[in-house]
Amino acid sequence: QKEVEQDPGPLSVPEGAIVSLNCTYSNSAFQYFMWYRQYSRKGPELLMYTYSSGNKEDGRFTAQVDKSSKYISLFIRDSQPSDSATYLCAMIGGGSNYKLTFGKGTLLTVNP
Amino acid sequence: KAGVTQTPRYLIKTRGQQVTLSCSPISGHRSVSWYQQTPGQGLQFLFEYFSETQRNKGNFPGRFSGRQFSNSRSEMNVSTLELGDSALYLCASSADRGLNEQYFGPGTRLTVT
Repeated sequence: QKEVEQDPGPLSVPEGAIVSLNCTYSNSAFQYFMWYRQYSRKGPELLMYTYSSGNKEDGRFTAQVDKSSKYISLFIRDSQPSDSATYLCAMIGGGSNYKLTFGKGTLLTVNP
Repeated sequence: KAGVTQTPRYLIKTRGQQVTLSCSPISGHRSVSWYQQTPGQGLQFLFEYFSETQRNKGNFPGRFSGRQFSNSRSEMNVSTLELGDSALYLCASSADRGLNEQYFGPGTRLTVT
């Protein structure tokens, strides 16, 4: 079992839809949880990071962490065609696990 | 502030050759990490340097090595290239020891023929 599992999609939604992206993980040592967005032929761009269980909101984006279920989510409200990209979850553990472990990414297309 | 820069952006090499990739972090950032991204394996951590010292290393063979200079610029070297080394190599930097706010460069696309 991979440490971080992420549905690769692809996910296609109409403009204005609410998008839900998810990752599950197996390593309970993970402490920080990040979401990155990667456009084609570009490097990943940090969207949000959270430390504890709960919600964190930034504009149209909401990150949710449930450590008891080892499940994290990213919600995008009022999705726009410019949101079309690959979304990657990433996690950091402690000690020797102090490095980013990524999910494989979910390809999202928002259709006008 | 300028972002993370990587050179070259594209590279074609032959099996058995070696290659050196360069990364300049955001000004003031002292941590530099390297990742390999392939369609099959996704983004995988190679190693991280902080103040010229390798702090952590991923599960890659010894053919992959790196170093960091006193100005925080970093280089990654791959010796005896194999076809499977074809990938996008990404560099990311962060201030101090906080990997939770890493900023990525555009990557170097390496093709091994």
